[in-house]
Amino acid sequence: GEDVEQSLFLSVREGDSSVINCTYTDSSSTYLYWYKQEPGAGLQLLTYIFSNMDMKQDQRLTVLLNKKDKHLSLRIADTQTGDSAIYFCAERGSGNTGKLIFGQGTTLQVKP
Amino acid sequence: KAGVTQTPRYLIKTRGQQVTLSCSPISGHRSVSWYQQTPGQGLQFLFEYFSETQRNKGNFPGRFSGRQFSNSRSEMNVSTLELGDSALYLCASSLRTGEGYTFGSGTRLTVV
Repeated sequence: GEDVEQSLFLSVREGDSSVINCTYTDSSSTYLYWYKQEPGAGLQLLTYIFSNMDMKQDQRLTVLLNKKDKHLSLRIADTQTGDSAIYFCAERGSGNTGKLIFGQGTTLQVKP
Repeated sequence: KAGVTQTPRYLIKTRGQQVTLSCSPISGHRSVSWYQQTPGQGLQFLFEYFSETQRNKGNFPGRFSGRQFSNSRSEMNVSTLELGDSALYLCASSLRTGEGYTFGSGTRLTVV
């Protein structure tokens, strides 16, 4: 079945790197996404990776995909207090569908 | 360019009433999806529309329905509201299936 798991909480110091992990179960997933949600707001797309890629870098963000272990991670370099938010991992299965399966979200707390 | 616009931002309704939520996608985006977000269940897929056709539907009762117009704007309707329908309802649009889905700020529905 379709399931996405994330750890619920991560606390880091400002300036450190943050690594948020996610596992998924659908081996036919074609796209995997990272979204950020700040209090009272909708979801902001941070980045996405196609399943035939191992890594994608975008400024301070690095996404690593291990298809064999169905593991996805998001690394935020030089974490800032403004990065404090909930981060959601999501997968999109195969076929002509726009349905995303989301994890429960990881709350990132950045301490000054 | 303008993002995904959802109206209204907040709604308070009474049990048994019905409600209609609106979503205007980014110009040119033909795929629109709806999600329900609650603290207990997280983000759950409601339905997806593409070119006025419902392409996918999540596991929600028939009280939840939607449609898409020729200009890609979408509405969702919930009839006979229950307390458990209180949630943040999010709409997302995409230019092409699979690529980044842009979310609106959501409509927060409270059922009393």
